[in-house]
Amino acid sequence: EVQLVESGGGLVQPGTSLRLSCVASGFTFDDYAMHWVRQAPGKGLEWLSGISWNSATITYAGSVKGRFTISRDNDKNSLFLHLTNLRPEDTAFYYCVKPRELLYDAFHIWGQGTVVTVSS
Amino acid sequence: DIQMTQSPSSLSASVGDRVTISCRASQGILNSLAWYQQKPGKVPKLLIYAASTLQSGVPSRFSGSGSGTDFTLTISSLQPEDAATYFCQKYVSAPVTFGQGTRLEI
Repeated sequence: EVQLVESGGGLVQPGTSLRLSCVASGFTFDDYAMHWVRQAPGKGLEWLSGISWNSATITYAGSVKGRFTISRDNDKNSLFLHLTNLRPEDTAFYYCVKPRELLYDAFHIWGQGTVVTVSS
Repeated sequence: DIQMTQSPSSLSASVGDRVTISCRASQGILNSLAWYQQKPGKVPKLLIYAASTLQSGVPSRFSGSGSGTDFTLTISSLQPEDAATYFCQKYVSAPVTFGQGTRLEI
């Protein structure tokens, strides 16, 4: 079974940092690009970042560029998102997602998400 | 950046109704459009990709159409379990963007 399991969320103060992790199973991780998407409470979906299978291509949404860093470790079937200088508006569910085939493709596998709450 | 605009933002329909949701891109995106269904407290589920290709396991009452800038999701005969929020997404290139969502009440 294809599965994505996120971890690393929590309650943090504004200005601090956090690293989210996503462990993949059930498919050949290093054959595929991966992405992070978030959803604030009661709001829509916001794409954050994508990374190619070999980390050669990395892109970010303008809203997080310079604050968030995506990375992956293919030996550990893991995807990461390093969040810095966190703001209250970063409070959201953070999802690890797998595109169907290409770097830019429909997202057919979603993790259950990890919650980040930024509050003093 | 290409913006995705969905309409309506919400709608109410009855079991058996035919429902259409529209999504418009601010620039042409070929057929690089997907539709997702999200039920309360659940993870989004891919329904349709490449504008009109049904994802495996999705009921055939769901269909998609369009190319370029105008796209439509149609539910041919609404079922109670279709109550959800529906999102379109363009993925032709970065940044990937989603529509604001359409809440469907039954």
